Amino acid sequence: AQSVTQPDIHITVSEGASLELRCNYSYGATPYLFWYVQSPGQGLQLLLKYFSGDTLVQGIKGFEAEFKRSQSSFNLRKPSVHWSDAAEYFCAVGARGTGGGADGLTFGKGTHLIIQP
Amino acid sequence: ETGVTQSPTHLIKTRGQQVTLRCSSQSGHNTVSWYQQALGQGPQFIFQYYREEENGRGNFPPRFSGLQFPNYSSELNVNALELDDSALYLCASSQDVIGETQYFGPGTRLLVL
Repeated sequence: AQSVTQPDIHITVSEGASLELRCNYSYGATPYLFWYVQSPGQGLQLLLKYFSGDTLVQGIKGFEAEFKRSQSSFNLRKPSVHWSDAAEYFCAVGARGTGGGADGLTFGKGTHLIIQP
Repeated sequence: ETGVTQSPTHLIKTRGQQVTLRCSSQSGHNTVSWYQQALGQGPQFIFQYYREEENGRGNFPPRFSGLQFPNYSSELNVNALELDDSALYLCASSQDVIGETQYFGPGTRLLVL
């Protein structure tokens, strides 16, 4: 069965500093990988996704992520964070050949990002 | 193009009652997935509907059931509510089961007392 690990429960970053959120996955084949962001009391907004091709993917709001097959990782990065980036970030894996499909998306437990002024 | 909508936004029920949550999928999407997000946790997959048929199910008991209608909107029904069912219920729609991104609605927050 697939699984996702987000090792950092909380991360505090100063405004303007760079950010990297870690995500490791376990899946028997090449997965679909996603990063979603959730503001308090809200649903999930897609930041970016990896299906195939270039392993460095660009997303919205200046985020990017790099798929590293050898490390089973899909870390999210941003060169300079803004106070509005404070939120919960979720990494998710989907079964290849589906958009979630019969097994749905498997999510990590999330990383809570705090921005210091 | 309208996004995914869910109703109601909040709901309070008592243990043993039944609840129905509703979801309207994004225009052009024929697949709906439901997730349960407990406080402080990531969403967990309940089940998925594709063209009115259940297409897959997570590790949830049969008292969690669903429907998808010809217009691709969907319902999640939970019978015999338990305290642990208190959570944010998220609906996500996608264009097809194969290789498409799921887009999420704002969720319904259910509190079971």
